[in-house]
Amino acid sequence: NAGVTQTPKFQVLKTGQSMTLQCAQDMNHEYMSWYRQDPGMGLRLIHYSVGAGITDQGEVPNGYNVSRSTTEDFPLRLLSAAPSQTSVYFCASRTGTSGANVLTFGAGSRLTVL
Amino acid sequence: TQLLEQSPQFLSIQEGENLTVYCNSSSVFSSLQWYRQEPGEGPVLLVTVVTGGEVKKLKRLTFQFGDARKDSSLHITAAQPGDTGLYLCAGAKGGSQGNLIFGKGTKLSVKP
Repeated sequence: NAGVTQTPKFQVLKTGQSMTLQCAQDMNHEYMSWYRQDPGMGLRLIHYSVGAGITDQGEVPNGYNVSRSTTEDFPLRLLSAAPSQTSVYFCASRTGTSGANVLTFGAGSRLTVL
Repeated sequence: TQLLEQSPQFLSIQEGENLTVYCNSSSVFSSLQWYRQEPGEGPVLLVTVVTGGEVKKLKRLTFQFGDARKDSSLHITAAQPGDTGLYLCAGAKGGSQGNLIFGKGTKLSVKP
């Protein structure tokens, strides 16, 4: 059971480049989310989805797009990378929309924008 | 606006000492979770508390949810080097699709 798989683990981009961070889960979870983690800032919610075809914005959505065409996959797209998007990105999933349910995280993707 | 304030931000102690980490807010949460994160990995859930005044124990770790469901604490008894890591509290507010608000974390280092 792989859980939540994120790729790539490391990525370096130049300002203005685009890229997609991939996230896949094999637990049939309805809820999926993307967080970014910055030193001294904790984890901040970027976008989330409560099911296939449904996405919504979190606390810091600017500069990021998401889509949810299947239950398993929830890619995060950076259309024009900026140095302020240098961060560690985590994808997480869980059953249902209760905040009391277990949120399972991927191992993270470290992105550097030069 | 940081809705969940965690303290202390850093904690360095010797093996065998006790410690308490606090998670405070002016907001009411329907549930609160504690996660532990090791370098290069994602956070892993330790416990969920949902009832005001609830106390849960996980071996040497004791978690408490405040009576008013606005704050929580994590107490570790006789800390061990294996307890080293980043401890994060996260709260869910009712009607928010269960989206979690995370504190900034407490970085714990336990020296042998």
